[in-house]
Amino acid sequence: GAVVSQHPSRVICKSGTSVKIECRSLDFQATTMFWYRQFPKQSLMLMATSNEGSKATYEQGVEKDKFLINHASLTLSTLTVTSAHPEDSSFYICSARGYTDQPQHFGDGTRLSIL
Amino acid sequence: DAKTTQPPSMDCAEGRAANLPCNHSTISGNEYVYWYRQIHSQGPQYIIHGLKNNETNEMASLIITEDRKSSTLILPHATLRDTAVYYCIVRVGSGGSQGNLIFGKGTKLSVKP
Repeated sequence: GAVVSQHPSRVICKSGTSVKIECRSLDFQATTMFWYRQFPKQSLMLMATSNEGSKATYEQGVEKDKFLINHASLTLSTLTVTSAHPEDSSFYICSARGYTDQPQHFGDGTRLSIL
Repeated sequence: DAKTTQPPSMDCAEGRAANLPCNHSTISGNEYVYWYRQIHSQGPQYIIHGLKNNETNEMASLIITEDRKSSTLILPHATLRDTAVYYCIVRVGSGGSQGNLIFGKGTKLSVKP
């Protein structure tokens, strides 16, 4: 149980393109979803937290107009990287949690490469 | 959320028990200890969590000291597939305002044949 599916697993696109990443909880209802970013040889950095039906809460230094998060249902959240540039190239990982006393479960990540 | 300290790396022989330590001396009474691991190029995998008592599941055991200032994750019979970065994280577990998982640098465990 507690499977989180993330799609796509890899994206390569040109600078200026907007990219959407989907995160789905397959066998549980995710009241809260999280988006992380990980650069090579570094740890995961939390970007934002979203509760179903509410606006996302962004961590300091993360541009909300750059990284658009939608959590419209209890099983789906999307992250859209708008007008992506090479410095946005990274490993993006989503996570989902059901009730507050349950652990977070993670997707397998999306490797984004902007040329 | 309280900060944790882990050794940057450890080696373990295949088939032997891997004991990964974690210090969390500033842990609060309502904070749980969580362990995750990340195998290269994958998302983190949940292993186990606990508050006060020792916990065991099909993957590992978690031993928490009585004063809760440190804990040890035990993989009883390490295999080559257990090679990964292991993260020890403390956060508020339930009720009210709940903290998010904040990842430190973790311990890189290398299981060797």
